[in-house]
Amino acid sequence: DADVTQTPRNRITKTGKRIMLECSQTKGHDRMYWYRQDPGLGLRLIYYSFDVKDINKGEISDGYSVSRQAQAKFSLSLESAIPNQTALYFCATSDSSGGSSYGYTFGSGTRLTVV
Amino acid sequence: GNSVTQMEGPVTLSEEAFLTINCTYTATGYPSLFWYVQYPGEGLQLLLKATKADDKGSNKGFEATYRKETTSFHLEKGSVQVSDSAVYFCALNTGTSYGKLTFGQGTILTVHP
Repeated sequence: DADVTQTPRNRITKTGKRIMLECSQTKGHDRMYWYRQDPGLGLRLIYYSFDVKDINKGEISDGYSVSRQAQAKFSLSLESAIPNQTALYFCATSDSSGGSSYGYTFGSGTRLTVV
Repeated sequence: GNSVTQMEGPVTLSEEAFLTINCTYTATGYPSLFWYVQYPGEGLQLLLKATKADDKGSNKGFEATYRKETTSFHLEKGSVQVSDSAVYFCALNTGTSYGKLTFGQGTILTVHP
């Protein structure tokens, strides 16, 4: 099994619908992140969580919400999807004990299309 | 604030050509620097990293040297293969930003036989 699992892998939804993207990890890491990837824009941080009770907004949090159900699970919700939220979404984890030298472990991504 | 700038892509090379992808950064503090690679249909994977000035990170024939004086971390490979075709991201982490990586915009590399 993958260290960081995202579900679903692909999703098409209609404008105005609520949708949840899920992420689970077996790395035992305390930190989890949601990014979106758009062509030419790299990865932009939506939300991040340093533990179950510590959730923070990233640079593009408007229109999104998150839930950290357990150390291993971090879900991203689009309350009312709109077409410009069509993107590739990545979940990532990291270990705080590594300090700034520690990189991330990424999931395989969820491709979301809002029509 | 922190930022990472990568060379514009896409980059197209023939097999066995020399590769350079430029990366420069702006950061407070003393960042760690990373290169990530994204193969088609996959998530990002850590390719290499360097945590202090003059360190050289290397992996799979790729290497990059942390140049504090020029605030750069250019990715190089002496002889690329078709299997190196991917998107490459430069990133930094200062630690002061609570472990949040800042990414460049990515550079698409295509290698032809």
